[in-house]
Amino acid sequence: DTAVSQTPKYLVTQMGNDKSIKCEQNLGHDTMYWYKQDSKKFLKIMFSYNNKELIINETVPNRFSPKSPDKAHLNLHINSLELGDSAVYFCASSQEASGIPNEKLFFGSGTQLSVL
Amino acid sequence: AQSVTQLDSQVPVFEEAPVELRCNYSSSVSVYLFWYVQYPNQGLQLLLKYLSGSTLVESINGFEAEFNKSQTSFHLRKPSVHISDTAEYFCAVNGNKLVFGAGTILRVKS
Repeated sequence: DTAVSQTPKYLVTQMGNDKSIKCEQNLGHDTMYWYKQDSKKFLKIMFSYNNKELIINETVPNRFSPKSPDKAHLNLHINSLELGDSAVYFCASSQEASGIPNEKLFFGSGTQLSVL
Repeated sequence: AQSVTQLDSQVPVFEEAPVELRCNYSSSVSVYLFWYVQYPNQGLQLLLKYLSGSTLVESINGFEAEFNKSQTSFHLRKPSVHISDTAEYFCAVNGNKLVFGAGTILRVKS
C-alpha cells in the first residue's frame, strides 16, 4: 500500500484553466504539506495543515487554495493557471506537528504540472 | 533565515568507488539536519538525520553523514557505491522550518 499517494502523476493544461491535485495518506499522520519543486530543483513549502487546520501558508498566490476535508486528505486547487506554475508538486505528511525539528516527512511521488 | 547549498548538481562515479555529496547550510538558530533520497519516479524518503549527540550518523544502506558545526556542513559519504544508489539526494535543514537544498544527482556507472 502506498503511504502517501497523489493524483494525477502528470497534468498538462492550458493557461487560464483551473485544476486540482489530490493527496491522500494512510499513515494516520496529523500533518500534511504541499511542496513545490521548481525548475532549479528547489523544494519550497507552500502549505501545511495539522488536523485539517492551516498551519503554514508561505507566500503563495491566492490562486492556490488547499482544501483538507479530513486529516488524511489535502488537495490543492489552482485557479487561472499561469506558465510559471509549471513545476513538480509534492504532497507529504508527518506525525509531528509542523515546526517540530525532528519531523520525518513522508512524500508522495509528485505531480508534474505543465502549463502550456 | 536558513539556507542550504548543495555544491554539486551531479556526481558521476563508478561502482564500488567512494563518494561524497556536499552540503553546507546557514542558519541563525540551532538546526537539525537531514538527507533525503529520491529514486526515479518515487517521492523523497528520509535517509538519515542528525538531531543531537554523536556528530556522525549512519543509514541502514551504508551511507553516513557528519555534522561539522564549525564548517556548517553535513556532507554525505559512502565508501563503496552500488548501481542501486543512483538517485537524487537532498540535504535539508530544520531550524524554525524545513528548508531543502537543490539536490545532487548521484549517477553510479558500471
